[in-house]
Amino acid sequence: DQQVKQNSPSLSVQEGRISILNCDYTNSMFDYFLWYKKYPAEGPTFLISISSIKDKNEDGRFTVFLNKSAKHLSLHIVPSQPGDSAVYFCAAYRRGKDDMRFGAGTRLTVKP
Amino acid sequence: SQTIHQWPATLVQPVGSPLSLECTVEGTSNPNLYWYRQAAGRGLQLLFYSVGIGQISSEVPQNLSASRPQDRQFILSSKKLLLSDSGFYLCAWSTQGNTEAFFGQGTRLTVV
Repeated sequence: DQQVKQNSPSLSVQEGRISILNCDYTNSMFDYFLWYKKYPAEGPTFLISISSIKDKNEDGRFTVFLNKSAKHLSLHIVPSQPGDSAVYFCAAYRRGKDDMRFGAGTRLTVKP
Repeated sequence: SQTIHQWPATLVQPVGSPLSLECTVEGTSNPNLYWYRQAAGRGLQLLFYSVGIGQISSEVPQNLSASRPQDRQFILSSKKLLLSDSGFYLCAWSTQGNTEAFFGQGTRLTVV
């Protein structure tokens, strides 16, 4: 049962443009959402998070938007850089639980 | 500072052989500990998580098991490996409550 879904397996963007990665979830009990970045043969690294009491969180070039009514969140990277090329995973927790669930990931390629 | 160690980095095992992957965390107490497997098209699949010594929650029925003999030690085991157990296994830790998780470097397991 895939409770966190990333429907785009890949995304290609030109350097300097905006990258938008999307994530949908089915469990309305999720109340904390995270984005991770992963390079090949390495563990994912934490990028940015957002609590369900917010609809936006910004950290430098990275902004996460949360639409609770649509059960949708997105990660915006502006401007995109070639070093941003990696697989991005969306993850979610639910209230009172510590079992973090991940999406299938989106491979971002930023072309110079 | 906190660190997480996961070993070995790569492992080639014959079908039917046992498995033991070890993960230890330093610099923190009473962490949540996780085992994930990265599978094509399914992202990071949660296998086991633990909120304390001897407390293991299993997410996927399979021939794998996990144990937490010490506060900061998490072990993934199998008595008899299957070909389908091949994959990239990741250990992670987080503090209690909904926070970001920190991943180890992963173990590439190939069952032959």
